[in-house]
Amino acid sequence: GAVVSQHPSRVICKSGTSVKIECRSLDFQATTMFWYRQFPKQSLMLMATSNEGSKATYEQGVEKDKFLINHASLTLSTLTVTSAHPEDSSFYICSARVSGSSPEQFFGPGTRLTVL
Amino acid sequence: DAKTTQPPSMDCAEGRAANLPCNHSTISGNEYVYWYRQIHSQGPQYIIHGLKNNETNEMASLIITEDRKSSTLILPHATLRDTAVYYCIVRVAGGAQKLVFGQGTRLTINP
Repeated sequence: GAVVSQHPSRVICKSGTSVKIECRSLDFQATTMFWYRQFPKQSLMLMATSNEGSKATYEQGVEKDKFLINHASLTLSTLTVTSAHPEDSSFYICSARVSGSSPEQFFGPGTRLTVL
Repeated sequence: DAKTTQPPSMDCAEGRAANLPCNHSTISGNEYVYWYRQIHSQGPQYIIHGLKNNETNEMASLIITEDRKSSTLILPHATLRDTAVYYCIVRVAGGAQKLVFGQGTRLTINP
């Protein structure tokens, strides 16, 4: 299957700082990417849908000014957690849909964010 | 998207077939059934999907009942590496195509 990478895989930061997470589709073009968050022992929660060249669509309850999403190219989407606080500590996962008619989504390995 | 119901946990002996059920009684005619799994601290992995016919690939088989209200994912010869949380998701093929994850089934393969 198609490969999606995330960087960094793990990040620790101080409260109040901003953290950027990159999601890349390595061997395919992705017009749509998705960002999820997963707390310990819980399921994945969709945060937003990112479309190349347009504004992201956020799920209800997700603050768009806190979680900035940019999808500037067909292979890269970034999620920036602004002014991070300890409650933002979580496992952030992106997925990408292959352009065209394929319904499959391929997931990145995830980024574990710890805010001290 | 239709909601799904899965048992929270299951156990299976290594080498045996693992049969994971999923109920989706409110599924619509244009909604597919997808299965993903998530091994601890990794991103989810696509397994298989289907509309109404049974499907098989190198990873698993998907059996969908005739009324489409339930399905079963079959791992024919489970190994320890198949220990994971398995998610059954139903959704339409077009549109936003976002995946809404439920709680899934935590499958433990025992030696």
